[in-house]
Amino acid sequence: DGGITQSPKYLFRKEGQNVTLSCEQNLNHDAMYWYRQDPGQGLRLIYYSQIVNDFQKGDIAEGYSVSREKKESFPLTVTSAQKNPTAFYLCASIGRVGPDGELFFGEGSRLTVL
Amino acid sequence: KQEVTQIPAALSVPEGENLVLNCSFTDSAIYNLQWFRQDPGKGLTSLLLIQSSQREQTSGRLNASLDKSSGRSTLYIAASQPGDSATYLCAVKPRIYSGNTPLVFGKGTRLSVIA
Repeated sequence: DGGITQSPKYLFRKEGQNVTLSCEQNLNHDAMYWYRQDPGQGLRLIYYSQIVNDFQKGDIAEGYSVSREKKESFPLTVTSAQKNPTAFYLCASIGRVGPDGELFFGEGSRLTVL
Repeated sequence: KQEVTQIPAALSVPEGENLVLNCSFTDSAIYNLQWFRQDPGKGLTSLLLIQSSQREQTSGRLNASLDKSSGRSTLYIAASQPGDSATYLCAVKPRIYSGNTPLVFGKGTRLSVIA
């Protein structure tokens, strides 16, 4: 089945460590997005990529990094510079080239800093 | 800057009731509006997508309307069931430039349907 796969589902990190969250899609979508979700704050955009080898910062990019070497993959690294990384992270992709596509989400990864 | 508001933040209704969830946005220059459902600890599931040229979309017991000029959308759920309990989010795609502009999300309405 086509879809967006995020891994791991749960991740624990010690302070000072970098961690990488995986996002893979087999929908042949060009654009991919990373959102962070905190209780009571809604979804906030971290980074997005409209095409391979290109990405743009979202509203809260500080302390995060991404790469887009393949169309199917958009990994997110949470670096030690991110001061409050405990959150639920959601990856998404959009269904067609142009402005009117439908956004689809993965199941999310929950990161906890110990 | 586009802002999306969903009121109320939480809603509790008895099973079988018809209900309306509200979404408002500040800038009418949008490509489309999308409604999502989120179960606890899960990702978002797309429910309905309304293009800016459309007035409504229907899927089963769900009907979403869009009034772009007034900056409002409603999600109507008919004959609610306990399985409808979830958080419902709306999001708009700003018409800033061509391409896949990131969506702007509301904070959601948490719905509880009581059996």
